[in-house]
Amino acid sequence: DIHMTQSPSSLSASVGDRVTITCRASQGIRNALGWYQHKPGQAPKRLIYAASSLQGGVPSRFSGSGSVTEFTLTISSLQPEDFATYYCLQYSDYPWTFGQGTRVEFK
Amino acid sequence: QVQLVESGGGVVQPGRSLRLSCAASGFNFNNYGMHWVRQAPGKGLEWVAIIWFDGSHKYYADSVKGRFTIFRDNSNKTLHLEMNSLRVEDTAAYYCAIDYNSGWLGHWGQGTLVTVSS
Repeated sequence: DIHMTQSPSSLSASVGDRVTITCRASQGIRNALGWYQHKPGQAPKRLIYAASSLQGGVPSRFSGSGSVTEFTLTISSLQPEDFATYYCLQYSDYPWTFGQGTRVEFK
Repeated sequence: QVQLVESGGGVVQPGRSLRLSCAASGFNFNNYGMHWVRQAPGKGLEWVAIIWFDGSHKYYADSVKGRFTIFRDNSNKTLHLEMNSLRVEDTAAYYCAIDYNSGWLGHWGQGTLVTVSS
């Protein structure tokens, strides 16, 4: 099975900060990786698919990069509505696996 | 509009069984694969299982393989998760979600809570 190691587990940031979250796959997954944002009481929402493609309707301050085993989600300028937990999800092979999550908190 | 409503959660003793259901409406259920995803209290998301649109293929997380069975009733637009030999670590909110291809879990239900405790 493919294990996803996500870091950091949490971070504190201010509005306007640049935020970077990383996921590392235990084996190559090509670019079969998505990033999800999850807010309490809401359904998770996909931000990025195929490692670097922006989901329709998602603000351009979100971007993804990487391939094979190393992936990054970047928020170029953190906004108040971005405080949430973020997960990577590999869909290269079954079983699918999520990263452990990164909680983005207000500094 | 698309709606997914989970039911069947509750408190159950370790080793017992429980069946979850997910009633779908607002889309052509027969055309989509469906997933179960869970979230233990204070923990992250864990993918549990998928069933293809026609029920022909099913895949499971290692943590539930051999104990959980995903199945669907396309005539009644309902997804199920049969959970046997439940463990304390299965305690979680269970969500059903639609597979919109390429790793996209596009719509989710509101979840049903399963508590495994003696």
